[in-house]
Amino acid sequence: GAGVSQSPRYKVTKRGQDVALRCDPISGHVSLYWYRQALGQGPEFLTYFNYEAQQDKSGLPNDRFSAERPEGSISTLTIQRTEQRDSAMYRCASSLLGWGQGNNEQFFGPGTRLTVL
Amino acid sequence: AQKITQTQPGMFVQEKEAVTLDCTYDTSDQSYGLFWYKQPSSGEMIFLIYQGSYDEQNATEGRYSLNFQKARKSANLVISASQLGDSAMYFCAMREVFPTGTASKLTFGTGTRLQVTL
Repeated sequence: GAGVSQSPRYKVTKRGQDVALRCDPISGHVSLYWYRQALGQGPEFLTYFNYEAQQDKSGLPNDRFSAERPEGSISTLTIQRTEQRDSAMYRCASSLLGWGQGNNEQFFGPGTRLTVL
Repeated sequence: AQKITQTQPGMFVQEKEAVTLDCTYDTSDQSYGLFWYKQPSSGEMIFLIYQGSYDEQNATEGRYSLNFQKARKSANLVISASQLGDSAMYFCAMREVFPTGTASKLTFGTGTRLQVTL
């Protein structure tokens, strides 16, 4: 597709269940980012990849959160043993370049709205 | 650590008027990038404009311009000739640029909700 896609768009789960959120970046984009956005707030960085390598995971809130991008394209963000406080919009973004010079615009996906009951 | 401050939770502007959305930032880095994104009620994040810390001229993109004052650490967004479709949440963000080059995260402000009225 032309843009970043994410699935599912909406996910409702019960507390304690595991969830996997998928991101399909723009074809050819080197870098992939995960953010979490609470209602009425700006996105908050979670982690990012250059190709298949996870470069920074400092934003992951705890060890229940993990992410992978095994073939340098599609990425999965997994939340184990979900809690109500995990409810948020989870956004994926990708950028063409793997380095930080210049614009290196990040293109955002539509997000996955996660609700933990 | 980088920080973005947007002090205006909400703004109103009449159609066809100009409006300025404030953004100040805090960083110890010499090289950084500043971004503005628009988030309409549909929820998508739309890139509007970019300013590099070493760019001498203020960035412009159509009706959007960025009033960059480096000494004051401010990067205000100016929207000229407001349209009803400009009603949305606006986020200021900063990216740290590493000279050896690995892409880095964006740090966002809390946003300003702009409402354009007739």
